[in-house]
Amino acid sequence: DAGITQSPRYKITETGRQVTLMCHQTWSHSYMFWYRQDLGHGLRLIYYSAAADITDKGEVPDGYVVSRSKTENFPLTLESATRSQTSVYFCASSDGKGGRGETQYFGPGTRLLVL
Amino acid sequence: AQKVTQAQTEISVVEKEDVTLDCVYETRDTTYYLFWYKQPPSGELVFLIRRNSFDEQNEISGRYSWNFQKSTSSFNFTITASQVVDSAVYFCALSRYGGATNKLIFGTGTLLAVQP
Repeated sequence: DAGITQSPRYKITETGRQVTLMCHQTWSHSYMFWYRQDLGHGLRLIYYSAAADITDKGEVPDGYVVSRSKTENFPLTLESATRSQTSVYFCASSDGKGGRGETQYFGPGTRLLVL
Repeated sequence: AQKVTQAQTEISVVEKEDVTLDCVYETRDTTYYLFWYKQPPSGELVFLIRRNSFDEQNEISGRYSWNFQKSTSSFNFTITASQVVDSAVYFCALSRYGGATNKLIFGTGTLLAVQP
């Protein structure tokens, strides 16, 4: 029972390179989210998805692209990485159907360093 | 606009002390959800509790208790008889109720260090 997984767990890249962070959940949750965690900011929402092929921007979407062709996968792409995108990235999912469904469950995170 | 404030950046206590983590929120919604998550040194985010805005009953789970007060827009978290394993960053978060997106707004977190 994997739940929600992220890969890679650690990534070092260089400025200007494209990087894709993967997120996979086995619960068939409708909603999926990408957050970044930075000191002093807590977690901030980058993008979210209500269902396959439905995505929308969060608080800090600039420089990121997402897609969701399958319910279980929600990859996050940094098209041209910048040093300011060095962060810890968390994927989350929820049922979104009210009550317990409103609780988001998080993956283990991906630590990204952009040199 | 929605906002969550955790004014305590860091708290240090000695094992067995009680400790309260403060959370103050702002929202114009009349119904909403409040959450607490724990982030231990290993880095994962662990869900602790969800509270509906229309249910103001306080909740206790073992050594953990939560005090929700709508009148002061606060949702404080108390750990009784703290243990070293409680050392972590704790996040309070807010989301809209029944919204199409249930996006979470997080506070900046409180780092709790429990000394043996």
